[in-house]
Amino acid sequence: GQQVMQIPQYQHVQEGEDFTTYCNSSTTLSNIQWYKQRPGGHPVFLIQLVKSGEVKKQKRLTFQFGEAKKNSSLHITATQTTDVGTYFCAGRASGTYKYIFGTGTRLKVLA
Amino acid sequence: DAGVTQSPTHLIKTRGQHVTLRCSPISGHKSVSWYQQVLGQGPQFIFQYYEKEERGRGNFPDRFSARQFPNYSSELNVNALLLGDSALYLCASSFRQDSTDTQYFGPGTRLTVL
Repeated sequence: GQQVMQIPQYQHVQEGEDFTTYCNSSTTLSNIQWYKQRPGGHPVFLIQLVKSGEVKKQKRLTFQFGEAKKNSSLHITATQTTDVGTYFCAGRASGTYKYIFGTGTRLKVLA
Repeated sequence: DAGVTQSPTHLIKTRGQHVTLRCSPISGHKSVSWYQQVLGQGPQFIFQYYEKEERGRGNFPDRFSARQFPNYSSELNVNALLLGDSALYLCASSFRQDSTDTQYFGPGTRLTVL
């Protein structure tokens, strides 16, 4: 069945450093969504990518969807302590309604 | 507008018991999905309902069932609870069943099975 993996599993950075998490699907995706989950909280929608090669930016966050629509990345520039949390990608294969969540990358930012 | 609400917040059950979890979507949203999130893992898709009909089902046993009511609220039922059912159960609503629609998650119900 479809699998979605994320690397790294954990990342500790100093405040001000950059951070990137990578998402890889075993199958071609129709679209991919990114979520942030704070400790003890629930996933909060960040963005959706639909087109091959698409790049979207939200302030310090940059999201990319691969040309083959099987991988994606989230890059945070100049991390802040408010960026702490686990970042999940969730991909949907064509012809299905369900989203398969990735394994998540837990980010810790050291002040 | 209120966000997605779920009840109860926390629940403790023993093995073999039955549990019912409830979800109220954002006003105007017609689609509800249920996810199970075990500690340290990503959410796992259980069901999606749209206009009271099941539109998708994940790889969960028949002990898991759900339904959606005319007001678009939803219930998730789990029978014959196992220790491994301990998890955070999340409900997400969206306006349509269109899979490119944004999902809004509720705070979840933390289920502990002893």
